[in-house]
Amino acid sequence: RKEVEQDPGPFNVPEGATVAFNCTYSNSASQSFFWYRQDCRKEPKLLMSVYSSGNEDGRFTAQLNRASQYISLLIRDSKLSDSATYLCVVNSRNAGNMLTFGGGTRLMVKP
Amino acid sequence: GAVVSQHPSWVICKSGTSVKIECRSLDFQATTMFWYRQFPKQSLMLMATSNEGSKATYEQGVEKDKFLINHASLTLSTLTVTSAHPEDSSFYICTIAPNNEQFFGPGTRLTVL
Repeated sequence: RKEVEQDPGPFNVPEGATVAFNCTYSNSASQSFFWYRQDCRKEPKLLMSVYSSGNEDGRFTAQLNRASQYISLLIRDSKLSDSATYLCVVNSRNAGNMLTFGGGTRLMVKP
Repeated sequence: GAVVSQHPSWVICKSGTSVKIECRSLDFQATTMFWYRQFPKQSLMLMATSNEGSKATYEQGVEKDKFLINHASLTLSTLTVTSAHPEDSSFYICTIAPNNEQFFGPGTRLTVL
């Protein structure tokens, strides 16, 4: 079983749609959680950290369920520019500052 | 945040060649740097943790004699892919993590013919 699992997609949605991505992690000692965005042939860029209470940044909402070891990302009012691969990333304190990446979920927003 | 550079940004080489990739921390003294690689359509996988002034720590399955890491100063780590083969073609990314926040280099795309 992979440490961090995501549905690879692709998710093909029209502009303006709401789309949700899910992610599960296996290490119960995981402490920090993130969503990164990666465009084709580029390095990942931090989209947002994920907090236990849930957090929102504009059109993006992240949720964490520690009991189920589950993280989600909701994108509202999708834009063409949201097309990218979204990586669920976990940092375990017992692994130093090493990040464990999910395989990514590809989103394609179409006009 | 911290700025990380990598050089070269891309390289094409013949099979059997050794390739050196540099990772520089431009505004932060990094005692630790991380090297990841990403094969097409796959996620980033940690290869090794580079430690300034000491040996690197390699992840399981990564050959330390093939992927030589040198972290001779607080601002520079190098990864040398020795005797590269086509299966080593990948996107190599380094990161630093001051204060538990990760900063990524722009990556180096290696293509071995």
